[in-house]
Amino acid sequence: EAQVTQNPRYLITVTGKKLTVTCSQNMNHEYMSWYRQDPGLGLRQIYYSMNVEVTDKGDVPEGYKVSRKEKRNFPLILESPSPNQTSLYFCASSLALSGRVYEQYFGPGTRLTVT
Amino acid sequence: GESVGLHLPTLSVQEGDNSIINCAYSNSASDYFIWYKQESGKGPQFIIDIRSNMDKRQGQRVTVLLNKTVKHLSLQIAATQPGDSAVYFCAETRRNFNKFYFGSGTKLNVKP
Repeated sequence: EAQVTQNPRYLITVTGKKLTVTCSQNMNHEYMSWYRQDPGLGLRQIYYSMNVEVTDKGDVPEGYKVSRKEKRNFPLILESPSPNQTSLYFCASSLALSGRVYEQYFGPGTRLTVT
Repeated sequence: GESVGLHLPTLSVQEGDNSIINCAYSNSASDYFIWYKQESGKGPQFIIDIRSNMDKRQGQRVTVLLNKTVKHLSLQIAATQPGDSAVYFCAETRRNFNKFYFGSGTKLNVKP
């Protein structure tokens, strides 16, 4: 089944404790992206990647890191989480080379709470 | 940053009626507009897109209209069904830009 998977789905952590949210897709998509969703603000893009070893900042990259060492994986790293990073996070992927980058497939989301 | 917003946060329609969800954008350089549907507890799902050189595009039971003069787009859902109940987001991007800007969403409630 074609899908985007995220782990963990739920995470409660404390301020300053480094964490990684994994994202993996099995559709051989070039483009991958991370979003956060907060009430009343819709989805805001954190980082995106056009292909392996190519990453770029989205609209709200502060406090986050990403890496793209393999085509299928795009982990989101919070080196020192803070309470304002409490949010619902979505990973997405799409085909870039065929011009369909905007037809994104989203993962199920990761609910992160930082206390 | 970009501004992609929605006129109404909640829309209630009767099953079988047509639904119209509106979205306003502010960037004249936008090339592509996309509609996503998000059901409760799930990630957004692509519905339909439209390029800036088009005024209208139709899909299965959905039609997107783009008015570049007033920077407005709408999603029309024909014969709305209970399964259409969800939050709908418009998003905007530009060719070769690869960054996306989403609106805050409209919740569609379909009454049986």
